Amino acid sequence: GAVVSQHPSRVICKSGTSVKIECRSLDFQATTMFWYRQFPKQSLMLMATSNEGSKATYEQGVEKDKFLINHASLTLSTLTVTSAHPEDSSFYICSANQGARGTDTQYFGPGTRLTVL
Amino acid sequence: RKEVEQDPGPFNVPEGATVAFNCTYSNSASQSFFWYRQDCRKEPKLLMSVYSSGNEDGRFTAQLNRASQYISLLIRDSKLSDSATYLCVVNGDTGRRALTFGSGTRLQVQP
Repeated sequence: GAVVSQHPSRVICKSGTSVKIECRSLDFQATTMFWYRQFPKQSLMLMATSNEGSKATYEQGVEKDKFLINHASLTLSTLTVTSAHPEDSSFYICSANQGARGTDTQYFGPGTRLTVL
Repeated sequence: RKEVEQDPGPFNVPEGATVAFNCTYSNSASQSFFWYRQDCRKEPKLLMSVYSSGNEDGRFTAQLNRASQYISLLIRDSKLSDSATYLCVVNGDTGRRALTFGSGTRLQVQP
């Protein structure tokens, strides 16, 4: 199946710093990537939809100025958590559709575990 | 009401048992349905898609009832390696293509 990578896999940072997470589709082009967040013992929650060459679409309650998304190419989307705080500590996962149809399978990256001290 | 609801479990079953998980979804316009498996501290991995006609993959059988907005997963002959959280996932809008996840049902298969 298609492969999606994320980097870094784990990051620990101080409160107030910014953290950038990369999501890459390794063997296919993804015009759309998705960013999810999962808190302990909770479901994955969609944060935003990242569209190549255009602005991301954020879900209600997700601050676009705090979670900056850049989808500069068909294989790379980045999520930057700006001025991170302890409540931003979570498991961040990206995904990408391999095809153009809405019913196509989504492939997930391995996730990035963020801990803000 | 949550868009996708699942019993969180945990389901503790002995090896070899048959176990069934259920899921309901609220958006009647939902188009695609999946079961994903998530191991502790890992990303979700696709287990199988779910079709109205029902589908089977080895020990796993998935069923969809659109009229009742209900999805099921049956696991036969449980293995220790089946221990994980099983996520019911719905794609409610083909134009949007994002997935809506249930909170998951945790399965623990015991020796």
